[in-house]
Amino acid sequence: KNEVEQSPQNLTAQEGEFITINCSYSVGISALHWLQQHPGGGIVSLFMLSSGKKKHGRLIATINIQEKHSSLHITASHPRDSAVYICAVGTSGSRLTFGEGTQLTVNP
Amino acid sequence: GAVVSQHPSRVICKSGTSVKIECRSLDFQATTMFWYRQFPKQSLMLMATSNEGSKATYEQGVEKDKFLINHASLTLSTLTVTSAHPEFSSFYICCASFGDSYNEQFFGPGTRLTVL
Repeated sequence: KNEVEQSPQNLTAQEGEFITINCSYSVGISALHWLQQHPGGGIVSLFMLSSGKKKHGRLIATINIQEKHSSLHITASHPRDSAVYICAVGTSGSRLTFGEGTQLTVNP
Repeated sequence: GAVVSQHPSRVICKSGTSVKIECRSLDFQATTMFWYRQFPKQSLMLMATSNEGSKATYEQGVEKDKFLINHASLTLSTLTVTSAHPEFSSFYICCASFGDSYNEQFFGPGTRLTVL
C-alpha cells in the first residue's frame, strides 16, 4: 500500500463542473502539498497545507489531520485546468512522498 | 511567490556525452535543493538532496558518479549527467527550499533530457 494514495486516478469533467480530488496518507506529516503538472511537464505548487483550508481563485484545498485526508476542489472548471494534480506529503526532515497523481480532463 | 528556474528546458544529446542542468532560485536563497527524476506515466522520484556548500546525499539506487550534483551557492545548483545513456532519458526537476522549515518547497519547471 502506498503511503500516499489519490483518487480518482483519472477524471473527466465538463466545463463548469465542480471537481474534487482526494488524497489519503498513512504517515505522520509536517505538511501536505498540492501540485499541478501540465502536459509539458512543468510543475506548479498550488498549495502547502498543515491544517484547515486554503483558497486561491477557483481552487480550494482542505486537510483533516486526524483523518489523514486532504481534498483539492476546483470550482467552475475550465479546459485550461486539464492537468495532472499531485498530492505530496512532507514527512520527517525534508522528504516529500508523492501520490501517483490524478489526470484531470475538462472538456468544453 | 518564490521562483525557481531551470536551464535548459529541453536537451537532446548523444550517448556517452555529458550534460549539465542548472537550477536557480531567482528571488530567495535556497539552502537546500532537491533533484527529482520522473519517467513517463510515473511519479517523481527523489534522486538527491544537496545543501549549500556540502556534498549531496543520494538516494539508494542513484549512481552518484553518473549524476554529479553541485550546490556551490545559495541560488544555484547543478546536475551534471556524465556519460549519458539512453536509459537516463527522463524529466529532471529541481526543487528549492529555504530556512529551517522544509515545508516551503518550490519546484522548477523541469528539464526534458533525451539521450540518443
